[in-house]
Amino acid sequence: NAGVTQTPKFRVLKTGQSMTLLCAQDMNHEYMYWYRQDPGMGLRLIHYSVGEGTTAKGEVPDGYNVSRLKKQNFLLGLESAAPSQTSVYFCASSTPGSGTSRYEQYFGPGTRLTVT
Amino acid sequence: LAKTTQPISMDSYEGQEVNITCSHNNIATNDYITWYQQFPSQGPRFIIQGYKTKVTNEVASLFIPADRKSSTLSLPRVSLSDTAVYYCLVGDMYTDYKLSFGAGTTVTVRA
Repeated sequence: NAGVTQTPKFRVLKTGQSMTLLCAQDMNHEYMYWYRQDPGMGLRLIHYSVGEGTTAKGEVPDGYNVSRLKKQNFLLGLESAAPSQTSVYFCASSTPGSGTSRYEQYFGPGTRLTVT
Repeated sequence: LAKTTQPISMDSYEGQEVNITCSHNNIATNDYITWYQQFPSQGPRFIIQGYKTKVTNEVASLFIPADRKSSTLSLPRVSLSDTAVYYCLVGDMYTDYKLSFGAGTTVTVRA
């Protein structure tokens, strides 16, 4: 049981280049999320998905697109990278149970992205 | 989502108990209090959650007074490996699932 995995772990892009970050989970979770974390700050929600084929915007969605074609995968795309997108990106998943289980999100190890 | 306030940083020594207090004055009736832990270069990890009174697990204890306007995460006998950022979050247990992370409390444990 690998939990939540992210690919790649590190990436350096030049301004204007595009890339896709892959998140995979093997816990059969319905909900998946993409966050970014800048130095000294908490995590900010970029996009999220409450099920296969559905996505929604979070707190900071501009410059990113997402897709959830399969339940276990959640892709984050940067169409034209900018230096302001230099950050650590975390993927997470959770199950929409009642009460306490709603808040127990399982996070991946992160992807460190640098845009020059 | 209720706003939370917690100290930016705390220092401690190995073997001591660390208590982190989080203020959430506008907590709603259906809100639960959740704490996450984030080690350097890792994603956050759920550690404990509660609604009122006291909750204890193998990692920490969570104390919530009757008015629920604050909560205290207690880490007993910390070690160097407890150095991390600790986040306090508050959300509706029936409708919320998206987490809102503040800057958290950086706990540094020294030998």
